[in-house]
Amino acid sequence: AQTVTQSQPEMSVQEAETVTLSCTYDTSESDYYLFWYKQPPSRQMILVIRQEAYKQQNATENRFSVNFQKAAKSFSLKISDSQLGDAAMYFCAYRVNRDDKIIFGKGTRLHILP
Amino acid sequence: DTAVSQTPKYLVTQMGNDKSIKCEQNLGHDTMYWYKQDSKKFLKIMFSYNNKELIINETVPNRFSPKSPDKAHLNLHINSLELGDSAVYFCASSRQGAGGTEAFFGQGTRLTVV
Repeated sequence: AQTVTQSQPEMSVQEAETVTLSCTYDTSESDYYLFWYKQPPSRQMILVIRQEAYKQQNATENRFSVNFQKAAKSFSLKISDSQLGDAAMYFCAYRVNRDDKIIFGKGTRLHILP
Repeated sequence: DTAVSQTPKYLVTQMGNDKSIKCEQNLGHDTMYWYKQDSKKFLKIMFSYNNKELIINETVPNRFSPKSPDKAHLNLHINSLELGDSAVYFCASSRQGAGGTEAFFGQGTRLTVV
């Protein structure tokens, strides 16, 4: 079964510091996508970053970057220079390329301490 | 222009009633979804449609009936509402198949059954 596991239900980080959110997934597929979504209190789901499994290079979007370890099936999100606006639920998600289903982890609630 | 819009944003109704949530996307995507987010923030796929055809039905009670009049619309009708149906329901869309990408989400409908 395809599963996505986020082992940290909650995390806190000081403003301007760096934080890493963990995600592991279980799959027998070789062609897939991984995502991190952010859900602020407004409840809107916002895509933060995307990684194609066939790419070895880790994706980066401004202050957000991932550490994709395909063999270990690990996909962590690093947020640098944390800002108050980064406070939100963060969801790791997975999609097989040939499939129409996106599977989500249970989320990590991130608190930013001023 | 809102990419994925769903109405209403809030819905409060009594047990036993029937209600509908509407969803429209203007992204030209082939695939649309309904997700349910429970009180613990867990996001679970309910249905997936591709070009108006049902692709995924994740063991959802048959009180829930999705309808897709065209590939830009996917509505969700719920019969005989129960207290346990209270949740946030998200509509989403994505491109299908090879090169499939992330899902774009609507703003969610918070359903409260009293």
